[in-house]
Amino acid sequence: EAQVTQNPRYLITVTGKKLTVTCSQNMNHEYMSWYRQDPGLGLRQIYYSMNVEVTDKGDVPEGYKVSRKEKRNFPLILESPSPNQTSLYFCASRPRVSYNEQFFGPGTRLTVL
Amino acid sequence: ELKVEQNPLFLSMQEGKNYTIYCNYSTTSDRLYWYRQDPGKSLESLFVLLSNGAVKQEGRLMASLDTKARLSTLHITAAVHDLSATYFCAVDHQGAQKLVFGQGTRLTINP
Repeated sequence: EAQVTQNPRYLITVTGKKLTVTCSQNMNHEYMSWYRQDPGLGLRQIYYSMNVEVTDKGDVPEGYKVSRKEKRNFPLILESPSPNQTSLYFCASRPRVSYNEQFFGPGTRLTVL
Repeated sequence: ELKVEQNPLFLSMQEGKNYTIYCNYSTTSDRLYWYRQDPGKSLESLFVLLSNGAVKQEGRLMASLDTKARLSTLHITAAVHDLSATYFCAVDHQGAQKLVFGQGTRLTINP
């Protein structure tokens, strides 16, 4: 089944403890992206990747890192999480940047205490 | 900087009624998307609008795009309870490398 998967789906952690949220797609998509969703703000783009080893900042990149060593995986890294990073995170992919639709993962709900 | 604004942000309506959600955006863009999100779920793609005057319909939902006015509408006809959800519009930016979302419209349809 073609899909975007994220792990973990739920995570509660403490301030300053490094964490990684994984994102994987099995559709051979070139473009991948991370978003955070907060009430009243919609979804905001954190980072995106046009292809392997090509990443760039979205609108809210502070406090996050990403890497794209393989086409299928696009992990989101929080080196030192803070409470203001408590949010719902979505990974998405599409075949290439010109394709007309993004496919979203199931979401990861992160709470930083 | 591209800004995307939806209104209303909250909408409570009766079954059988018609209503429209508006999506305004601040700079030129070629593609506009509408998504649906149910509570605790991911986003489901509803419509992709690619050109001025584009109109798409699926069941009781119809979306349109006016690129000159930088406005898209999502029209709900004879609403039913199953359409209760949050609806987002989103606009491609910077050659589609970035996707900018509106705040979302939480729609509640009462029997």
